[in-house]
Amino acid sequence: ETGVTQTPRHLVMGMTNKKSLKCEQHLGHNAMYWYKQSAKKPLELMFVYNFKEQTENNSVPSRFSPECPNSSHLFLHLHTLQPEDSALYLCASSQGGSGGSGGVYNEQFFGPGTRLTVL
Amino acid sequence: DQQVKQNSPSLSVQEGRISILNCDYTNSMFDYFLWYKKYPAEGPTFLISISSIKDKNEDGRFTVFLNKSAKHLSLHIVPSQPGDSAVYFCAARSGYALNFGKGTSLLVTP
Repeated sequence: ETGVTQTPRHLVMGMTNKKSLKCEQHLGHNAMYWYKQSAKKPLELMFVYNFKEQTENNSVPSRFSPECPNSSHLFLHLHTLQPEDSALYLCASSQGGSGGSGGVYNEQFFGPGTRLTVL
Repeated sequence: DQQVKQNSPSLSVQEGRISILNCDYTNSMFDYFLWYKKYPAEGPTFLISISSIKDKNEDGRFTVFLNKSAKHLSLHIVPSQPGDSAVYFCAARSGYALNFGKGTSLLVTP
C-alpha cells in the first residue's frame, strides 16, 4: 500500500449505530487530519494530530471522536450521528513539526475518502 | 464566514488553450497557498503551492500567481489537456489549518 488509505470507502449507518472510520498513511508523516466535505460546501477541517497529539479540534460535536494510536493510523469513531452528518470524510497527512507555522502543515496528502450516509 | 472563495463553480476550455482558475481570500494572515486537483471518487491531490513572500511559482504547465495587495491568486494551466478535467481547490494556510475554497470544475474539451 502506498500513500494514504481509508476504509471503508462507503458506509451506510442508522442514527443509533456505532461505527469507525480508519485511515492509514504510508508516507512517514507525523501529522494527520480529518476533513468533512458536505455537498456544495468547502472542505472543513475537523481534527489535527501532530506526533499523535491532538492540536486542533474545530468545534466538532462530541458524536465524532478521533483516535490516533500512532503516527501512521487515525480513526474517527462515530456514535448517534444525524442525517446531516452524511458527507465525504477525508483523511490527510503531512510532515509534522515542533509547532508554529514555519515549515509545518504545508502540503497535505489526502486519502480517497469515506462516503458516509446516515439514515 | 468563508475566508477562501472560488467564485467560478465551473470553467470550460478548449484543449491547447490556457485555463485560468481564480481564488480570492480575506485573511491577510495566510502565509502559504496551495492548489489541489480532485478527480471523482478520489481524494484531492496536491498540485502546486506558493509562499506569501513570492508572487509566482511555476511547475511545468502549471503556474500560480499571487497578488497580495488584491488578496488574489490564480492558477494557469497551459496548454490545457483533456486529462486536466477535474475539480480544482484553492487552499490557504493559517496556523495548523488549511482553509479551502468550494472548488472550480474545469472541463477541457478536445
